[in-house]
Amino acid sequence: DQQVKQNSPSLSVQEGRISILNCDYTNSMFDYFLWYKKYPAEGPTFLISISSIKDKNEDGRFTVFLNKSAKHLSLHIVPSQPGDSAVYFCAALIQGAQKLVFGQGTRLTINP
Amino acid sequence: GAGVSQTPSNKVTEKGKYVELRCDPISGHTALYWYRQSLGQGPEFLIYFQGTGAADDSGLPNDRFFAVRPEGSVSTLKIQRTERGDSAVYLCASNNPGEREQFFGPGTRLTVL
Repeated sequence: DQQVKQNSPSLSVQEGRISILNCDYTNSMFDYFLWYKKYPAEGPTFLISISSIKDKNEDGRFTVFLNKSAKHLSLHIVPSQPGDSAVYFCAALIQGAQKLVFGQGTRLTINP
Repeated sequence: GAGVSQTPSNKVTEKGKYVELRCDPISGHTALYWYRQSLGQGPEFLIYFQGTGAADDSGLPNDRFFAVRPEGSVSTLKIQRTERGDSAVYLCASNNPGEREQFFGPGTRLTVL
């Protein structure tokens, strides 16, 4: 029972363009969402997060959008840079609980 | 100002053997988490410590898996009678109460032959 789903295993984007990574969830008890970035042989690194009381959070080139009615969130990266090439994980938290529930990840490749 | 560290970085063992994986959280972090990441999947929760006690061990797959954090800092994940299906990257994370973001270590890649 996959509560957090990233349906695109991979995405390829040209440098300078916008990268959009998508994530869907099924559990309406999730109240906080996070995006992590992972390079090979390293642990996941926190990127950006959003509370369920908001619909947008922006940090530099990274913006996360949350559509609660659709149970969908997306991460926008603009402009995309070669160093953004990594695996991106969407994760969610239930209020009062501490365990992160992760999606399967999307491998983003930025082409020069 | 070190981050979360994990040792060893790689561990190869034979089926049926016992292994211990170590995690050193960020100094001062009271909460510590263990996750397991299988190939092509996202990390899956195993256990969460607040201080010395396991506050949530609902993710441990069976009684071959056990974790301790005796002094509220370093934690050890112990796996008895390892099976080939235990092969994965074991990730440790830490944070403080009130923080929703968790900070991960580089992981230990366990291979059971």
